[in-house]
Amino acid sequence: QVQLQQSGPGLVKPSQTLSLTCAISGDSVSRNGVTWNWIRQSPSRGLEWLGRTYYKSKWSTDYATSVKSRITINPDTSNNQFSLQLNSVTPEDTAVYYCATVTSSDALHIWGQGTLVTVSS
Amino acid sequence: DIVMTQSPDSLAVSLGERATINCKSSQSVLYSSNNKNYLAWYQQKPGQTPELLIYWASTRESGVPDRFSGSGSGTDFTLTISSLQAEDVAVYYCQQYYSTPYTFGQGTKLEIK
Repeated sequence: QVQLQQSGPGLVKPSQTLSLTCAISGDSVSRNGVTWNWIRQSPSRGLEWLGRTYYKSKWSTDYATSVKSRITINPDTSNNQFSLQLNSVTPEDTAVYYCATVTSSDALHIWGQGTLVTVSS
Repeated sequence: DIVMTQSPDSLAVSLGERATINCKSSQSVLYSSNNKNYLAWYQQKPGQTPELLIYWASTRESGVPDRFSGSGSGTDFTLTISSLQAEDVAVYYCQQYYSTPYTFGQGTKLEIK
């Protein structure tokens, strides 16, 4: 059974970089065609899909338009995990961040526990 | 981006009664090559992580009670709870996974009348 465990700081200063990691158990980040996603949730923006990474003959990423210039999602095959980096954060980036993955469809079947990240000085 | 619009924003239903939530997408999420609708429903209980209820518009996730059902095709979809239980109090979201960026509806808050 696949499980996702998130880690990372809960407080980030404005203009700095938000960094979170999602550790995978029960599956491999390199499994062909399986996508590894980041989503966030805030009262003002609701649920917002941020992006994904996946391996299908080669590594690929897709990002949301709203954060495309600031986001990087990377797989870490050595540690069987994937990460989120969001640059130049502002208070608008304050949200609960989730990692999630797929199983029998491309819907988000399995979610991490969520991490509240507050952007504040 | 595909815009997902849910109705109503909130809903109060008596225990044992039917609850119906609608979701409309700004373009079709039906993939013609496999005749599947790339539409999912999630339930988020207070203070908890969203959980997948329904995918392919009408397939229940393992462990989801059969009082939950999904229907619809193309751009119009419905989540129905046939007999509301107290534990169904939650916010429900639809989501399209037809194309990236994946997008969610704004949510429907379901309460007990």
